[in-house]
Amino acid sequence: GAGVSQSPRYKVTKRGQDVALRCDPISGHVSLYWYRQALGQGPEFLTYFNYEAQQDKSGLPNDRFSAERPEGSISTLTIQRTEQRDSAMYRCASRGLQGAGEQYFGPGTRLTVT
Amino acid sequence: DAKTTQPNSMESNEEEPVHLPCNHSTISGTDYIHWYRQLPSQGPEYVIHGLTSNVNNRMASLAIAEDRKSSTLILHRATLRDAAVYYCILRGVSGNTPLVFGKGTRLSVIA
Repeated sequence: GAGVSQSPRYKVTKRGQDVALRCDPISGHVSLYWYRQALGQGPEFLTYFNYEAQQDKSGLPNDRFSAERPEGSISTLTIQRTEQRDSAMYRCASRGLQGAGEQYFGPGTRLTVT
Repeated sequence: DAKTTQPNSMESNEEEPVHLPCNHSTISGTDYIHWYRQLPSQGPEYVIHGLTSNVNNRMASLAIAEDRKSSTLILHRATLRDAAVYYCILRGVSGNTPLVFGKGTRLSVIA
């Protein structure tokens, strides 16, 4: 079946603009996670949802970052008033109820703030 | 989540076995040991997990020390496609929590 998809794959924006990153999880997956990955580093947790409920947003760097998953499927990560330090790869993962809790990652969105 | 320690990098010849070590001396009794890998320009992918007993799947084997303070991911015959960063991650029993990635081990495979 289809894996996790993310759009756009690449986003270049000017400092101060808002951006919205979309994640479409594997169909039926209950949990959805957002991570951010800097070059040469492992992914860093941002926030996650079970169904439509945001369970943990402790990894969001500041209040310019927000996420939603209103119908328990597609999720949007929004960054307001972008800054150059927000440039990174943003990765989404989803997890089903079966198995050992393994997460399936999407291809990521490469965000560049100029 | 408890901390893990891995070597920064390792090198292997193609077709040879590879043993990737991970130390987790502060592991709790209910922590599972998970391994993920990240191929170049891709997102991480699940490899294997275990609790106490050694585990095998189509991708790899996981050998867990008797005291659970260390584990080893074993690739039986490395191929060029196995070149990736390998992450050893401890997870609680719920399986619902976010993954906490360290820096992992960058494996290079030489033809």
